[in-house]
Amino acid sequence: DAGITQSPRHKVTETGTPVTLRCHQTENHRYMYWYRQDPGHGLRLIHYSYGVKDTDKGEVSDGYSVSRSKTEDFLLTLESATSSQTSVYFCAISEFGFPGGTDTQYFGPGTRLTVL
Amino acid sequence: TQLLEQSPQFLSIQEGENLTVYCNSSSVFSSLQWYRQEPGEGPVLLVTVVTGGEVKKLKRLTFQFGDARKDSSLHITAAQPGDTGLYLCAGARGSGGGADGLTFGKGTHLIIQP
Repeated sequence: DAGITQSPRHKVTETGTPVTLRCHQTENHRYMYWYRQDPGHGLRLIHYSYGVKDTDKGEVSDGYSVSRSKTEDFLLTLESATSSQTSVYFCAISEFGFPGGTDTQYFGPGTRLTVL
Repeated sequence: TQLLEQSPQFLSIQEGENLTVYCNSSSVFSSLQWYRQEPGEGPVLLVTVVTGGEVKKLKRLTFQFGDARKDSSLHITAAQPGDTGLYLCAGARGSGGGADGLTFGKGTHLIIQP
């Protein structure tokens, strides 16, 4: 199994509070991703990173920010959580970033976030 | 946005039966990947298909990539309760680096009853 951990694994918070989720990898992979998974929507990309301090937006980036100060850590921040951000969040890593469409993406165990 | 439509969304069958799950799109992908996800865990890659018409086998699972690289199918022979899970297809664009991750279908929830 790829060495990917996410913390916390579960969190309940209130609307309007800031929340930070952490993804840590021990594989030294260059590319890291944050997805959210919701019933009826599947997995959707929030933000991704292609190197330290290099990040870009995904399909559903509104209300989220990310930071990557070290290769091994990718943080996802909800500046002011809303109930629509209740979801399961997955971090993923890949070594090559899908050049030519081929690569392997490894997923973390997920964080279940509930915003009341 | 490139969409991947998976069908069926839910499937419950008896042990020993065969089944096919479909993943369709109007867009061309450089590769199609199939993942399996169990409750409380992240998706795990099963296979990647790259070439149009490609067929890959993984024990009782057969994966096919359409000739035009717009669709894919997963066929399971003699399904077993251990095959139960959420099956996801995902497409990679592959052009311009492709570092922006994968486009996922909504998944097929498969239950194999003993």
